[in-house]
Amino acid sequence: DVKVTQSSRYLVKRTGEKVFLECVQDMDHENMFWYRQDPGLGLRLIYFSYDVKMKEKGDIPEGYSVSREKKERFSLILESASTNQTSMYLCASSLRGHRGDEQFFGPGTRLTVL
Amino acid sequence: KNQVEQSPQSLIILEGKNCTLQCNYTVSPFSNLRWYKQDTGRGPVSLTIMTFSENTKSNGRYTATLDADTKQSSLHITASQLSDSASYICVVGFNTGGFKTIFGAGTRLFVKA
Repeated sequence: DVKVTQSSRYLVKRTGEKVFLECVQDMDHENMFWYRQDPGLGLRLIYFSYDVKMKEKGDIPEGYSVSREKKERFSLILESASTNQTSMYLCASSLRGHRGDEQFFGPGTRLTVL
Repeated sequence: KNQVEQSPQSLIILEGKNCTLQCNYTVSPFSNLRWYKQDTGRGPVSLTIMTFSENTKSNGRYTATLDADTKQSSLHITASQLSDSASYICVVGFNTGGFKTIFGAGTRLFVKA
């Protein structure tokens, strides 16, 4: 079974803090994704990566950056957290391209920025 | 504008009953449509996928249908169980200078004993 793990289930940070969200997948997938999920809205893509050290902006990249130094690990960074970044963050991975292949999701990190 | 709309937003049914969830989309050019199930506190898990040429796909008690002409999909759940309580998310893929996906907001299903 594919396993996607996220470093924290719940996180509380203060405005202005730098925040790191870590995601690890164990199936040698090429592609990894970061989404945020807010009530009443569908999952929105922040960034995705199709290879080590490669990244592409999604629909809402502002205020975020990412890092993929190893194939299995994809990090989401909030350089200076703000209250409007309070949300559920979901990481996903897929075997091949960003072409409708099934994405396998982690359990999510619920981030609260005070 | 490419959009995916799901209805109802939430639904309560009794255990053992059937239900149907709707997904309407305005995405173009259409590539595929997936239904995901998201249990509380967990990430979404894929249930079915359909391409343009497929109009029905089953996965156990879950049956998805697709009408590409009217741009509608439905997810039918037969003989519901308490474990079906979850959010069901419709995801439409499309090609426009690269493949993209749009997630619907989901339908929250509550199955009562």
